[in-house]
Amino acid sequence: GAGVSQSPSNKVTEKGKDVELRCDPISGHTALYWYRQSLGQGLEFLIYFQGNSAPDKSGLPSDRFSAERTGGSVSTLTIQRTQQEDSAVYLCASSLGVYNQPQHFGDGTRLSIL
Amino acid sequence: SQELEQSPQSLIVQEGKNLTINCTSSKTLYGLYWYKQKYGEGLIFLMMLQKGGEEKSHEKITAKLDEKKQQSSLHITASQPSHAGIYLCGAEQPIDRGSTLGRLYFGRGTQLTVWP
Repeated sequence: GAGVSQSPSNKVTEKGKDVELRCDPISGHTALYWYRQSLGQGLEFLIYFQGNSAPDKSGLPSDRFSAERTGGSVSTLTIQRTQQEDSAVYLCASSLGVYNQPQHFGDGTRLSIL
Repeated sequence: SQELEQSPQSLIVQEGKNLTINCTSSKTLYGLYWYKQKYGEGLIFLMMLQKGGEEKSHEKITAKLDEKKQQSSLHITASQPSHAGIYLCGAEQPIDRGSTLGRLYFGRGTQLTVWP
């Protein structure tokens, strides 16, 4: 497709389960970003990839969060042993990988932890 | 880090009215982005401003970056119900020294409602 694609669009799971969120960026975009949007918290930057490399993981909320990107394209964000505070909308964006180029966002994955 | 304050937090206007949303930064803005979000959807890129005094327009939406590059405004002329949504300003900062990439710091957003 032409835009950033995220799946699933909605995910409901029990506390303690692992979840995997997927992002398929715009073709040709070398940079990929993950953000989290929570009620009362606004949009929070999590991690970025330039190609397959994620040089800085310090934005991830805890060590239960991990992300990878393979083949310079699809990325997955994995949350292990989910907690209720992980409930949020997880947004993925991609860009051409050069400063001052807009980031284009997917529709997000709405994650609900019961 | 960069802090962005948007005002107002919410806005309810009658169709056909003009409106302005403001975004004020705690630091000099080097790249300022405006996005629109509808509930359950992602962010739609509207405009990017870089230079002090810059102004851009798309259809009935105009965005400006002031000369000192610490404030931006988004103006909608003759609002329509299709303009309803959450408007977010985002400031770009280099991810790290020497990086060609920037991360975005966002304001909390302005919820716009346009009633017929």
